Amino acid sequence: AQRVTQPEKLLSVFKGAPVELKCNYSYSGSPELFWYVQYSRQRLQLLLRHISRESIKGFTADLNKGETSFHLKKPFAQEEDSAMYYCALSGRDFNKFYFGSGTKLNVKP
Amino acid sequence: GAGVSQSPSNKVTEKGKDVELRCDPISGHTALYWYRQSLGQGLEFLIYFQGNSAPDKSGLPSDRFSAERTGGSVSTLTIQRTQQEDSAVYLCASSFSREWGHTDTQYFGPGTRLTVL
Repeated sequence: AQRVTQPEKLLSVFKGAPVELKCNYSYSGSPELFWYVQYSRQRLQLLLRHISRESIKGFTADLNKGETSFHLKKPFAQEEDSAMYYCALSGRDFNKFYFGSGTKLNVKP
Repeated sequence: GAGVSQSPSNKVTEKGKDVELRCDPISGHTALYWYRQSLGQGLEFLIYFQGNSAPDKSGLPSDRFSAERTGGSVSTLTIQRTQQEDSAVYLCASSFSREWGHTDTQYFGPGTRLTVL
């Protein structure tokens, strides 16, 4: 069965420190992986998707099929990065999106 | 243009009552999703509409939940005989398409916070 796991409910780092939000998935087909972000009092919005292979707001994520992971990374965290981050999985052979339980990132000054 | 809108923003109801939640997707978007976001949980998929195809209802938690999409646009999620465990934020999202093998970005609404007393 398809599943997305985000092991950390809360991640606190200091401003300027590197940050990595972990995401592991289970799916035997060709996955499409996404990171969505929800800032305080704002809507859930797409941050990045693996097929774009781009950096958004300094964040990157690499799909590692061998480790079935799609960790989100940023070398120097900023206070404005504080938000709730969700990893999501979709695939070529089903309509649904599977979301992880989310990780709350708190960047301290 | 306007984004996805949902109404009401907040709904408080008594156990056993029926509720209707509305979603207005972005104009022209053919795909529409409903999710439930419970405290401490991720987003739980409920139902998916794509164009005129039969909806994917596989995520609906019980037969008390139903949804329809009229004219390929507005959607209504109905919960009958509400229970306290139905309390959650219900999110709607739309995208331009969701053809097999191709995924478009989902645009989310602000959600409806449902509280069942």
